[in-house]
Amino acid sequence: GAGVSQSPSNKVTEKGKDVELRCDPISGHTALYWYRQSLGQGLEFLIYFQGNSAPDKSGLPSDRFSAERTGGSVSTLTIQRTQQEDSAVYLCASSLGQAVNYGYTFGSGTRLTVV
Amino acid sequence: EDQVTQSPEALRLQEGESSSLNCSYTVSGLRGLFWYRQDPGKGPEFLFTLYSAGEEKEKERLKATLTKKESFLHITAPKPEDSATYLCAVQLDKLIFGTGTRLQVFP
Repeated sequence: GAGVSQSPSNKVTEKGKDVELRCDPISGHTALYWYRQSLGQGLEFLIYFQGNSAPDKSGLPSDRFSAERTGGSVSTLTIQRTQQEDSAVYLCASSLGQAVNYGYTFGSGTRLTVV
Repeated sequence: EDQVTQSPEALRLQEGESSSLNCSYTVSGLRGLFWYRQDPGKGPEFLFTLYSAGEEKEKERLKATLTKKESFLHITAPKPEDSATYLCAVQLDKLIFGTGTRLQVFP
């Protein structure tokens, strides 16, 4: 597609439930990133995928968070046993590669509210 | 520890009133510094990349500059449509973002 697509755009879930957030990157972009943006905060890195390399999971806040990228394209971020502090906007970005001159293109995000 | 700090947190300007936003960083091995604009309910939108001290880039009313320790985003004669949150980020193996400056421009 023309841009990075994320779904759903909004998700309200009950504490303790699992949620899946989806990211469809720009076709041909080999790098894919997940960030989290809490109210009034900057973007917090979660995880990135580059081609067939092992993902960098260093930003995942706990083992309740996991992500996968199938076929080098679509990615799913899963949060198990959601907590209220997980409420945030989850942003996905993709780029042609890791080289610094490849800018990131962001999706519009998924706003997650845990009640 | 790699760190990016933006100031001010919020800025209110009258239309036509020029100003600057600051982004200071302490990182080892800077590969590039990025500026993004973020509108409410949207993802960040790319504005500029700066690679080395002394470099400048311009786009309409915006000009970004870079030194060894900080970057400035200068806004000349801003208009209400420039109202947004401006984010800076440094490139390591991934982008590390500051918390942003929320700019409001009033007519």
